[in-house]
Amino acid sequence: DSGVTQTPKHLITATGQRVTLRCSPRSGDLSVYWYQQSLDQGLQFLIQYYNGEERAKGNILERFSAQQFPDLHSELNLSSLELGDSALYFCASSPRWRDSYNEQFFGPGTRLTVL
Amino acid sequence: DAKTTQPNSMESNEEEPVHLPCNHSTISGTDYIHWYRQLPSQGPEYVIHGLTSNVNNRMASLAIAEDRKSSTLILHRATLRDAAVYYCILRDVLGANNLFFGTGTRLTVIP
Repeated sequence: DSGVTQTPKHLITATGQRVTLRCSPRSGDLSVYWYQQSLDQGLQFLIQYYNGEERAKGNILERFSAQQFPDLHSELNLSSLELGDSALYFCASSPRWRDSYNEQFFGPGTRLTVL
Repeated sequence: DAKTTQPNSMESNEEEPVHLPCNHSTISGTDYIHWYRQLPSQGPEYVIHGLTSNVNNRMASLAIAEDRKSSTLILHRATLRDAAVYYCILRDVLGANNLFFGTGTRLTVIP
């Protein structure tokens, strides 16, 4: 158990809909990262938040957005969903903003299926 | 971040050592070498990392070539639970903070 929790575990929805994925980082970790894992693209970084502020952006679509709240939990919002958004979404956390030599702790993921 | 090259797949017999190679010929002086693994139906988990010297922890050992252009993750006695995709990742202390996952090596452990 990494200490990172994600809800829900599974999500099934239809094209055009909007969903929110939730992540609670490990106690004391200030950085939260979101990753997407699809069959054709592998594991890709989406976005990082540190102590409530956006710190880095990866291959995140404009239809996707995220935020980190004062209690440090984070939400990833996916809107106007398309079939290709079906994937596993992982959240990870680490203690600091710049943690290039320390590990990231990953949650169990949310499996999103868009029908 | 600099790129890494790993074999797509490897097999090992249970309870035997496994050596997972990684090439990173364009590594820079500020790149740390990290290894993560992803067990089936789980999120990635950290295995080990190093800069120049060989490293050991309870999970594995990391052997780094003297020129740092390659490294090897060593599992001393493979168990069925070690069957996973192993990712070798370079992380620049001066660069982006996210992890860049390549295709990794899928390790199959044969009972």
